[in-house]
Amino acid sequence: ILNVEQSPQSLHVQEGDSTNFTCSFPSSNFYALHWYRWETAKSPEALFVMTLNGDEKKKGRISATLNTKEGYSYLYIKGSQPEDSATYLCATYNDYKLSFGAGTTVTVRA
Amino acid sequence: DTAVSQTPKYLVTQMGNDKSIKCEQNLGHDTMYWYKQDSKKFLKIMFSYNNKELIINETVPNRFSPKSPDKAHLNLHINSLELGDSAVYFCASSQGPAGRTDTQYFGPGTRLTVL
Repeated sequence: ILNVEQSPQSLHVQEGDSTNFTCSFPSSNFYALHWYRWETAKSPEALFVMTLNGDEKKKGRISATLNTKEGYSYLYIKGSQPEDSATYLCATYNDYKLSFGAGTTVTVRA
Repeated sequence: DTAVSQTPKYLVTQMGNDKSIKCEQNLGHDTMYWYKQDSKKFLKIMFSYNNKELIINETVPNRFSPKSPDKAHLNLHINSLELGDSAVYFCASSQGPAGRTDTQYFGPGTRLTVL
């Protein structure tokens, strides 16, 4: 992995169902991983900052895990609600800057 | 109260013109950034300033010049606009000196269209 990659690019989930998606990144020279949530017509908002291998963070129904040795992070949404519809961005930190993935766009169907 | 604001929200202009986008943050943050959202939707860092001093200049053409009159403002001036400059530009700020755990707060974006 040379850059930050997110998969899938988009997904649809039924209201009430749970879902998860992946952020992959170079495992060498890892410093931190950021997750942002970006709703349509709004600005990206920070969800989590993760730095340690094995880190788990939780905010309401959204949680994230981090594996720095293999270079991936999962973001989980439990019991999806329509307000969870957004693009979720991950970014790695290096040299005073964040490098973003293209995002996973989640659409929750009522 | 808007934390990070940008003006204008939309900017339509002709090739060859010079234009500016303004950014202001009222969070008392020390570091401000400019990002460009490219055609593939990636957010790419262009510049960052910490306490009015440039810390990142990410291989951006010389036609782009950031100006930070004080630490609450970071404006982006673009000379001789080209078609490829059409994009959404986002301003952001963070409290610390662009450290690894510093959360960035984003503005609403400015959609620039060059005709």
